[in-house]
Amino acid sequence: QVQLVESGGGVVQTGSSLRLSCAASGFSFNTYGMHWVRQAPGKGLEWVACISYEGSNKKYVDSVQGRFTISRDNSKKTVYLQMNSLRGEDTGVYYCAKNGPPYSGTYQDNWGQGTQVTVSS
Amino acid sequence: EIVMTQSPATLSVSPGEGATLSCRASQSVSSNLAWYQQKPGQAPRLLIFDASTGATDLPARFSGSGSGTEFTLTISSLQSEDFAVYYCQHYYNWPITFGHGTRLEIK
Repeated sequence: QVQLVESGGGVVQTGSSLRLSCAASGFSFNTYGMHWVRQAPGKGLEWVACISYEGSNKKYVDSVQGRFTISRDNSKKTVYLQMNSLRGEDTGVYYCAKNGPPYSGTYQDNWGQGTQVTVSS
Repeated sequence: EIVMTQSPATLSVSPGEGATLSCRASQSVSSNLAWYQQKPGQAPRLLIFDASTGATDLPARFSGSGSGTEFTLTISSLQSEDFAVYYCQHYYNWPITFGHGTRLEIK
């Protein structure tokens, strides 16, 4: 079965950096786009970024454009989110999610359990 | 950016009754609409994609409808495990956006 395990979260100061990882198993990783979605404390879901199956196409929400970078290593079946210049509003649970259909960027059909990121001043 | 508006924000329903949740898009998203369920402390779970297609193992009491800008998630007979927060999401273009959610609570 599909399994997504996030890691790398923690407590950091404003302006610092953090790299999240998501290890995938149970599916053909190199044929699916992957997403990061976050959730601020007590708030709703916010889509953050998506990377295509081969890694050449990347999309971001405006609020993280230029600060966050999504990447993947298909040999390791892992997707990453490099987060720089972190702000208080980046605090939340970050979920890794698998795209539904292969070779596209659409809805997310499997989700990890999330990793907590806390940015404090 | 397409804005997704869900209503109501909170819906109080008795077990065994039906529930209708609404989602409106600020512009047409065709049928590129998904619904998710989230319980406290858990990751979201995909329920419906392409506006009306059920995810794997989705109970038959859940159904989705609509296209363009107006969408509905219907739960025909609420079970205790259905009380949760429900989000709609469009994937018509970038950025993908979610609605703010409807909290379905026990009356």
